[in-house]
Parts: sequence; C-alpha cells; structure tokens
Amino acid sequence: DAKTTQPPSMDCAEGRAANLPCNHSTISGNEYVYWYRQIHSQGPQYIIHGLKNNETNEMASLIITEDRKSSTLILPHATLRDTAVYYCIVRVAWNTGNQFYFGTGTSLTVIP
Amino acid sequence: DTAVSQTPKYLVTQMGNDKSIKCEQNLGHDTMYWYKQDSKKFLKIMFSYNNKELIINETVPNRFSPKSPDKAHLNLHINSLELGDSAVYFCASSQGTSRGVEQYFGPGTRLTVT
Repeated sequence: DAKTTQPPSMDCAEGRAANLPCNHSTISGNEYVYWYRQIHSQGPQYIIHGLKNNETNEMASLIITEDRKSSTLILPHATLRDTAVYYCIVRVAWNTGNQFYFGTGTSLTVIP
Repeated sequence: DTAVSQTPKYLVTQMGNDKSIKCEQNLGHDTMYWYKQDSKKFLKIMFSYNNKELIINETVPNRFSPKSPDKAHLNLHINSLELGDSAVYFCASSQGTSRGVEQYFGPGTRLTVT
C-alpha cells in the first residue's frame, strides 16, 4: 500500500554526502513527505519532513522537486552510525488520525 | 530517560496462548499507536488512540484488543495466538493527530509464536 518508490539499497563512503531519492508521483497537494530510518533491531527514528519547501535540520536536508513528485534526503557527512534502512513516507490524510505506510525503504550502507 | 518504552522486548510463546505487550510514553503526547512489522519490513498501523479514545482500528483480527488506561499508556492484548502473529510490534506516540506531526517509536517487541 506504499505510495512511494525507493531504490532497495545504496552505498556511501564515510564522510561523504549520502543522497537518497524517493519518487511519490501520486502525492496530493496537501500531503507531507516524511523520512524515517530504522537501524537494525531498533524502532523507526524520525529524520525530517516537508511539504513544498526544502528543509534542513541537524540530521539532514530534504530537497523536494517543484512538482513535488520526488524528493531527496541528504545526509551531508555520512558516518558509520548512519547505516540503516531509510523510509520515505507520504502522509495519508484521514479525518481523525494518521497512518504511516512504510514501504521497503532504502538500505544505506556507509563504508569506512 | 526513554521516551517510548515497551515491555517485553522479546516474547516467545506457543499457539493458542494469550499475551500482552505494554507501552508507556513520557513525552506528554496525547496520541499513541500500535504498528506491526512483518518479515517483509512493511510497517502497518493497527490501532491509534487519541486521549484514550480509539480513533483508528485497521483490519485487525478481533483477537487483538488495545487498552489505554491513560494517555501515557497503550497496551496490546492478543488472544489465541497464531503462527502468523509472529512479528515485531512497535508502539509510537505523537502530539496531535494532524498531518505534519512526527511520531516517536518505541524499541519494538519481537513476538515469536511456535
């Protein structure tokens, strides 16, 4: 039921920027794009979210295309601890609650 | 200082048994959730409570019964456990239910039914 498409896996050299793409071509105008990650055997961890504009926080940057059909999560200086599965999620609009349909995500491996 | 905690972390039990998983959050959030992560890594919501009231109840067998004694707790009771119930169950919380609200997840409970 996921409405997003991500590459199944990526590698990144330690210290370099990791750029994780996500396609969400059916996103509606008032839906947010969220990024979470899950390190093995731990719960999902919130990273960043955005609606239209690019966003940056202490963990990452989120670049959303003008047509909002795709986005890229950027980890500016990847470390070994960033090795995890990264999920791009579009918020589904419900009247009284929220749902997150996590797809299969992108497994990022940071290489020393 | 754990924000969202779950107990137990691991649960191994036999088919037909009844078991409970507990969840507590100390973030002062008013909304709590239960998710199931199956072996294919799809994380799907099961239930959501807002201010102790059930607001989301996905297509889940009625063997699963959530209970929220207060805003900080959301427990999950499972009757007559089946092999297909084996999964990792995550509790989460958020402040509010509108879009743009981030959720904080617990560490998960790995349930194995034999």
